[in-house]
Amino acid sequence: GEDVEQSLFLSVREGDSSVINCTYTDSSSTYLYWYKQEPGAGLQLLTYIFSNMDMKQDQRLTVLLNKKDKHLSLRIADTQTGDSAIYFCAATSQGNTPLVFGKGTRLSVIA
Amino acid sequence: DAGITQSPRHKVTETGTPVTLRCHQTENHRYMYWYRQDPGHGLRLIHYSYGVKDTDKGEVSDGYSVSRSKTEDFLLTLESATSSQTSVYFCAISRGQGLPNTEAFFGQGTRLTVV
Repeated sequence: GEDVEQSLFLSVREGDSSVINCTYTDSSSTYLYWYKQEPGAGLQLLTYIFSNMDMKQDQRLTVLLNKKDKHLSLRIADTQTGDSAIYFCAATSQGNTPLVFGKGTRLSVIA
Repeated sequence: DAGITQSPRHKVTETGTPVTLRCHQTENHRYMYWYRQDPGHGLRLIHYSYGVKDTDKGEVSDGYSVSRSKTEDFLLTLESATSSQTSVYFCAISRGQGLPNTEAFFGQGTRLTVV
């Protein structure tokens, strides 16, 4: 089955760009998602990308997808202290399968 | 926010006792999920449901059972709680799977401690 891997920690300075990376194993994964979890809360969808896209931009967020390497990244421009959270990468393939989540990357933003 | 309510939000229970967690949705979504979140493991799927009385096992289903007798309610039961089941449990719902606009919406979580 699908396996999703992420680095566990990332620390950046306020105003810099953050790049969170994710790799997945199932080449048939159709939809790839980024979720954000703030302390004590559930997960909220940030953005998603279809497998027929290479890039998606949404305000400060840029998602890049390299299907050949099965690599997904989330770039947050002008990172703010309010971006401090855990970010989860998730994937689902065709055939109606539940989302598979990575372990999450804890982003710490230093003022 | 999607209409998902988990209850209770916090629970402390003793080893060996049965525990039931409830997830209630007001969105009429077909799919409902139970995940557990543990440090170093991220989110792992316990069970999910694709309709009333239709459920399937996830990655970590041992020691858990579920029931869905109504579209809006999905119950997770720990048959005999163990300390390894101390965790934060999240319910999620989605309109579909692997389709456009079928992202999962999450509840606020239930923190369960088994002593």
